[in-house]
Amino acid sequence: QVQLRESGPGVVKPSETLSLTCSVSGDSMDNYFWTWMRQSPGKGLEWIGYMSSGGSAKYSPSLKSRVTISVDTSKNQFSLKLSPVTTADTAVYFCARGMSYHRYWGQGMLVTVSS
Amino acid sequence: QSALTQPPSVSGSPGQSVTISCIGTRSDVGSSNRVSWYQQAPGTVPKLMIYEVTNRPSGVPDRFSGSKSGNTASLTISGLQAEDESDYYCTSYTTSDTLLIGGGTKLTVL
Repeated sequence: QVQLRESGPGVVKPSETLSLTCSVSGDSMDNYFWTWMRQSPGKGLEWIGYMSSGGSAKYSPSLKSRVTISVDTSKNQFSLKLSPVTTADTAVYFCARGMSYHRYWGQGMLVTVSS
Repeated sequence: QSALTQPPSVSGSPGQSVTISCIGTRSDVGSSNRVSWYQQAPGTVPKLMIYEVTNRPSGVPDRFSGSKSGNTASLTISGLQAEDESDYYCTSYTTSDTLLIGGGTKLTVL
C-alpha cells in the first residue's frame, strides 16, 4: 500500500522560506511523477507543481518564481520550497503521486504564515 | 491560466441523478483526455473518483461516471445517496504540461 506523509514546520514567518518534505513508502519512487498541491482555509484546491523521478519539473505559472520541487529517490522523499512567503500562502499542503491524476495523497499539513 | 469553471453548488434528492459540469478551453479540457474528478468531504483528503475522462479507480461505485464534449467535462452521479454529499473538483492537464483545477462544486443531498 502506497503511503505519503508530509512533514515540516507548521508556522513560517512572512518573507521567509516554507520547506516541506513528503516521505513515500510502499513503492519505489522511480518512473512516477510527484506533485504538490495546497488548499487555503475554506477555499478550493490549487496545483503547485510536479517533478518526475528523473528530475523534470513543471510549476504553476502563478507560483513559478517562488517555487522549487526536488526529488530524492534514494531517500524515498520529495520536497517543496516556497520563498518568500506571505500570509496568502497559509494553507493545507498536500503531496501526491502522479502528474495528471492522483490516486495516492498525503494526509495534508497545515502551514500558517504568521509573525 | 484561469481555473476551470464549475457551478458553485448543485443539489438533488436521494435516488436522483445530478451532473456537475467543468468548462475549460481548447488548451485544456478540449484537447486533453487527462480530465479527472475528485470528491472531498470537509477536513479530508481528496479522493480520486474518475480519471482520464471516463475511468473509475477500483472501489469507486459505478454510480459515478464521467464524460466530455468539446471543452466541457461532466461528472454524473446516479442513484444519489446521502454519503455523496461532498465537494467535487475537476482537473485537466493542459497543452503547457501544467494542471488546471476547477473552483469546486458543493453537492447537497436534499
